[in-house]
Amino acid sequence: GESVGLHLPTLSVQEGDNSIINCAYSNSASDYFIWYKQESGKGPQFIIDIRSNMDKRQGQRVTVLLNKTVKHLSLQIAATQPGDSAVYFCAEKNKAAGNKLTFGGGTRVLVKP
Amino acid sequence: GAVVSQHPSRVICKSGTSVKIECRSLDFQATTMFWYRQFPKQSLMLMATSNEGSKATYEQGVEKDKFLINHASLTLSTLTVTSAHPEDSSFYICSPGTGASNYGYTFGSGTRLTVV
Repeated sequence: GESVGLHLPTLSVQEGDNSIINCAYSNSASDYFIWYKQESGKGPQFIIDIRSNMDKRQGQRVTVLLNKTVKHLSLQIAATQPGDSAVYFCAEKNKAAGNKLTFGGGTRVLVKP
Repeated sequence: GAVVSQHPSRVICKSGTSVKIECRSLDFQATTMFWYRQFPKQSLMLMATSNEGSKATYEQGVEKDKFLINHASLTLSTLTVTSAHPEDSSFYICSPGTGASNYGYTFGSGTRLTVV
């Protein structure tokens, strides 16, 4: 994932519009990726995952795209709702690192009514 | 995903004292527990990995004598912050794993530690 920064990038989106959150990862050996949603004062909540042998996976209102060529991961949220306001993190795993998760820097999503 | 119970949710302690954080997996046997720390507006950083019945593995830069981890059973792991200092103030989060899914899908609700 991206290096940790002192502030989070913010995506402001109008309610009802689609949101796209991006994540760059650095380890080409990573074989599994997860998107998490974290609300203030709470632990991360699993949203969707994807394995490295796939390039797209869909869930309810969410789609994850994986581009291994450029080591890029994205999360698309359809028809964004106020309840989607949170910080979103991507996480990667690779067996060589003992199956530990490495988290990206996070993106704050603010949904405007 | 697994059901995880983490306590306390918030704790304020004085410098020099110790604080214990508990993490329980309620519906499956956690052979592994991942402990993370998160500073404000930052991402989660793995501190250590505890394995039931053996010593924990600490990430580089994490003092094992300061952050004591005990994984006494397949349902309980504890993190004790010893001789806490204000710089230890952070959000601590656990995540259980099994032999098949060591990476941990589910996280505890977190513990906000404030050292004054």
